[in-house]
Amino acid sequence: NAGVTQTPKFRILKIGQSMTLQCTQDMNHNYMYWYRQDPGMGLKLIYYSVGAGITDKGEVPNGYNVSRSTTEDFPLRLELAAPSQTSVYFCASSGTAYTNTGELFFGEGSRLTVL
Amino acid sequence: QQPVQSPQAVILREGEDAVINCSSSKALYSVHWYRQKHGEAPVFLMILLKGGEQKGHEKISASFNEKKQQSSLYLTASQLSYSGTYFCGTESDKLIFGTGTRLQVFP
Repeated sequence: NAGVTQTPKFRILKIGQSMTLQCTQDMNHNYMYWYRQDPGMGLKLIYYSVGAGITDKGEVPNGYNVSRSTTEDFPLRLELAAPSQTSVYFCASSGTAYTNTGELFFGEGSRLTVL
Repeated sequence: QQPVQSPQAVILREGEDAVINCSSSKALYSVHWYRQKHGEAPVFLMILLKGGEQKGHEKISASFNEKKQQSSLYLTASQLSYSGTYFCGTESDKLIFGTGTRLQVFP
């Protein structure tokens, strides 16, 4: 049972490059989230989705884009990478109704460094 | 608005108790609690729903005061395995995590 799978686990980017962090879940969850965690800090919500075709901004959406074409996949796109985007990125999913969200299942994280 | 947790850090001996508080400036539908060990993803502990309380994990319990928009996590008879950073997650229109509390338990 894979749960939430993120790729890549590690990536180094040059300033101005673009990339996509992949996230897929096999639990048929409706709700998916992207968080970033800077060293020694908490988790900041970037974008979230309540179902296929629906996405919304979180606390820190600038510099990122998402799409949700299927229930399973929720890729995060970084355009024009900047050093401030150096962070660990976590994808998570949950299955219950949004206003009474149940347990979040997290992926292992993707560590991104922008030089 | 990010919920504020207190204290920022706690150091305990095995067997001691601790309380971690989480306070929000917004009305809440629910409060989540997670523990994160260094280099790992957060792991769910429990969720407290509006109008109720749910105990979910070992000797760890929590309360939810809706009127004060606060939650507290109670760790009793702490074990070495309790070490990590604890985050509350508060939900009004979306799930936002708190500032975190680092807990260290020593033998």
